[in-house]
Amino acid sequence: QKEVEQNSGPLSVPEGAIASLNCTYSDRGSQSFFWYRQYSGKSPELIMSIYSNGDKEDGRFTAQLNKASQYVSLLIRDSQPSDSATYLCAGFYSGGGADGLTFGKGTHLIIQP
Amino acid sequence: NAGVTQTPKFRILKIGQSMTLQCTQDMNHNYMYWYRQDPGMGLKLIYYSVGAGITDKGEVPNGYNVSRSTTEDFPLRLELAAPSQTSVYFCASSPYTRRGNQPQHFGDGTRLSIL
Repeated sequence: QKEVEQNSGPLSVPEGAIASLNCTYSDRGSQSFFWYRQYSGKSPELIMSIYSNGDKEDGRFTAQLNKASQYVSLLIRDSQPSDSATYLCAGFYSGGGADGLTFGKGTHLIIQP
Repeated sequence: NAGVTQTPKFRILKIGQSMTLQCTQDMNHNYMYWYRQDPGMGLKLIYYSVGAGITDKGEVPNGYNVSRSTTEDFPLRLELAAPSQTSVYFCASSPYTRRGNQPQHFGDGTRLSIL
């Protein structure tokens, strides 16, 4: 069973602080991981992708992957009210009859002005 | 730069009716996907296609059918609509990759209600 688990929140963070979002996955066969941001009533928008162990930084966002612990995280520095959204963690699984993304249920992030 | 285009944006169906959700992409991507998202939930894969003429089932294919006659188009067919199919449907596409390390680009979604 390919599962991606996230705390649904809501996670409330003061403006300017660091928001930390976490995700665990069950199947070691996953090859790539993605963080998507989804505003209410909108489609998912890619924020970060990560394929190898360690950290990957892009502007205010840092993705972290630990394949040994089956753990993925997203850090948002200097959080802004516009960062308030649901963040979806997804892993790509290939083979076994279904090539595609397995999504977590998402973490609802609220940035307090 | 259209990307992934889905039509219609909203639709209400009666139980037992059928319809086709349209999806087209102009990025020449080989891979295309259909997901559904129920309220408060993540997206679940319905069907996917790795190229024209090739389709395969995802996690929740029951009650749906797809076809892929061209690279650009990947329609999703609902036969005998049921209330459990009330959801938001997203189409996505990505370039070919053996490792799945190319991000998927999503359309704006179709909000479907079955009454």
